[in-house]
Amino acid sequence: KAGVTQTPRYLIKTRGQQVTLSCSPISGHRSVSWYQQTPGQGLQFLFEYFSETQRNKGNFPGRFSGRQFSNSRSEMNVSTLELGDSALYLCASSSGQGDTPLHFGNGTRLTVT
Amino acid sequence: GESVGLHLPTLSVQEGDNSIINCAYSNSASDYFIWYKQESGKGPQFIIDIRSNMDKRQGQRVTVLLNKTVKHLSLQIAATQPGDSAVYFCAENMGYGGSQGNLIFGKGTKLSVKP
Repeated sequence: KAGVTQTPRYLIKTRGQQVTLSCSPISGHRSVSWYQQTPGQGLQFLFEYFSETQRNKGNFPGRFSGRQFSNSRSEMNVSTLELGDSALYLCASSSGQGDTPLHFGNGTRLTVT
Repeated sequence: GESVGLHLPTLSVQEGDNSIINCAYSNSASDYFIWYKQESGKGPQFIIDIRSNMDKRQGQRVTVLLNKTVKHLSLQIAATQPGDSAVYFCAENMGYGGSQGNLIFGKGTKLSVKP
């Protein structure tokens, strides 16, 4: 099976702009979660989508949003970018049922200048 | 200027030795635990998991031990190899209403294997 695919791998944006990141989960996985990884805060949960519905949300401002499509693919959007949004954004997928591990993609490295 | 980052604990071992990486988790209600390995430039890679009704689970060259009394998790790697060099994270899940996507990650431990 192909793993979790995230595009693009790298992005450079300017403060105030918005950005959309894309994630294709492992085939058959219905849950997609997003995480932010920074040197200062480590790995932090953003949100989880299951069958096109947001099932859980972390403690991030409303500038961070996401959605999931009927084919389980997901996008996350960050509006009005701030310098502190520079991070590695990781997407993970799972079956979404029972105790099953998340499988992560290699992330999108976002740099805000 | 220099960014302030997490000061990761570092474990340095000789190739062929066994490694033990420790983790203290935060919530006594957590019922599912996972160890991940993250290499430079890559996302976290699943290693092994354990449910709260178990205290030990073995995989290929890896063993996870769970002590719920003191909220402690450990990962043992047998016959450590240079390819094991990476940052290792423990993660806990409290399964909010069936949601398994919300993991709480530890700060990570950097494992360096000397050939």
